[in-house]
Amino acid sequence: DSGVTQTPKHLITATGQRVTLRCSPRSGDLSVYWYQQSLDQGLQFLIQYYNGEERAKGNILERFSAQQFPDLHSELNLSSLELGDSALYFCASSTGGGNYEQYFGPGTRLTVT
Amino acid sequence: GNSVTQMEGPVTLSEEAFLTINCTYTATGYPSLFWYVQYPGEGLQLLLKATKADDKGSNKGFEATYRKETTSFHLEKGSVQVSDSAVYFCARLPQGGSEKLVFGKGTKLTVNP
Repeated sequence: DSGVTQTPKHLITATGQRVTLRCSPRSGDLSVYWYQQSLDQGLQFLIQYYNGEERAKGNILERFSAQQFPDLHSELNLSSLELGDSALYFCASSTGGGNYEQYFGPGTRLTVT
Repeated sequence: GNSVTQMEGPVTLSEEAFLTINCTYTATGYPSLFWYVQYPGEGLQLLLKATKADDKGSNKGFEATYRKETTSFHLEKGSVQVSDSAVYFCARLPQGGSEKLVFGKGTKLTVNP
């Protein structure tokens, strides 16, 4: 158990809908990262937050957004969903500040039908 | 650019066989290098890491050495077990403070009794 929790575990929704994925980092970690794992693209970095502020952006679509709250949990919002958004979404956390080790949650499997 | 190339899988071995999974990276500066493992139905776990040339990371019988001259970080284990069956990902963090992990495509390992 990495100490990173993600909810829900599975999500099935229809095209055009909007969903919110939630992540709670390990106790004491200030950085949260979101990654997408799909069969065709592999594992891709989406976005990073550090202590409530956006720190880095990767291949994140404009339909996707995220935020980190004062209690350090984070949410990833996916809107106008398309079939191609079906994937595993992982959250990871680290202490930040140059620490290299990221600890991953169990992931949320999103299926868009 | 920043990329990681892993050997194509899947890899199937018998128990107690020797394992090598090749990983090379593009030579942009001095990245930190990692191996992550994903067991069926679970998130990624950090297996080992190396942050500078000639460093050797090791954990659970797995080893990998950071080779600057060949830009490689091959994963090895002398005697695999059925419980090592998983997908293995090589990853890098670019030099210079970026915390965006860049992953290889993953190599699925199946160990038969």
